Amino acid sequence: EPEVTQTPSHQVTQMGQEVILRCVPISNHLYFYWYRQILGQKVEFLVSFYNNEISEKSEIFDDQFSVERPDGSNFTLKIRSTKLEDSAMYFCASSGSFGQGSTGANVLTFGAGSRLTVL
Amino acid sequence: AQSVTQLGSHVSVSEGALVLLRCNYSSSVPPYLFWYVQYPNQGLQLLLKYTSAATLVKGINGFEAEFKKSETSFHLTKPSAHMSDAAEYFCAVSDHPDFGNEKLTFGTGTRLTIIP
Repeated sequence: EPEVTQTPSHQVTQMGQEVILRCVPISNHLYFYWYRQILGQKVEFLVSFYNNEISEKSEIFDDQFSVERPDGSNFTLKIRSTKLEDSAMYFCASSGSFGQGSTGANVLTFGAGSRLTVL
Repeated sequence: AQSVTQLGSHVSVSEGALVLLRCNYSSSVPPYLFWYVQYPNQGLQLLLKYTSAATLVKGINGFEAEFKKSETSFHLTKPSAHMSDAAEYFCAVSDHPDFGNEKLTFGTGTRLTIIP
């Protein structure tokens, strides 16, 4: 079964450093997302991406965050200058196969997550 | 804004017993509702979804959920728990029930423990 893969599975970084989290979405999907879960808290929406641009972002997704689809397969989340409060599990997801009908909700397929620890 | 509330951050049931995980939603429009499961060191996997069709929704692994508008609930049940059901379960609601751009709002999750 197709899956979303994320790397690294765990990254430890120093405060102020830049971090790039990588995701390979399902190949024929059109929509890409990043969510995060701070330990003990809810899974929160960060950003959605379609047709090479951000379609929606949450208030969490401030100027320190950016997303990119540098080639036909990868989808990255960059955190420019990490803060302690960025420590969380970051989930990538994708959805929406080309030609899929529009009835009903679009189902997201999530990756296993990248755990970011900022020291 | 839509939201979901999961009652009980931890639920323990004996193997073979009924599983009931509670989720209540808040929505100003007909919601799309989801249950996801997360096994250790794995991603979020869709168990089932409600998209305004049948109110009783059957999912994978013997789970089902019933949409009750009068109670604003979407509780997850399974008649007989199995050891392999031990995981974290998340209820979620979609803000944008349009094709694509599914912005999900998640609950805080319920960790299910199965007692042998």
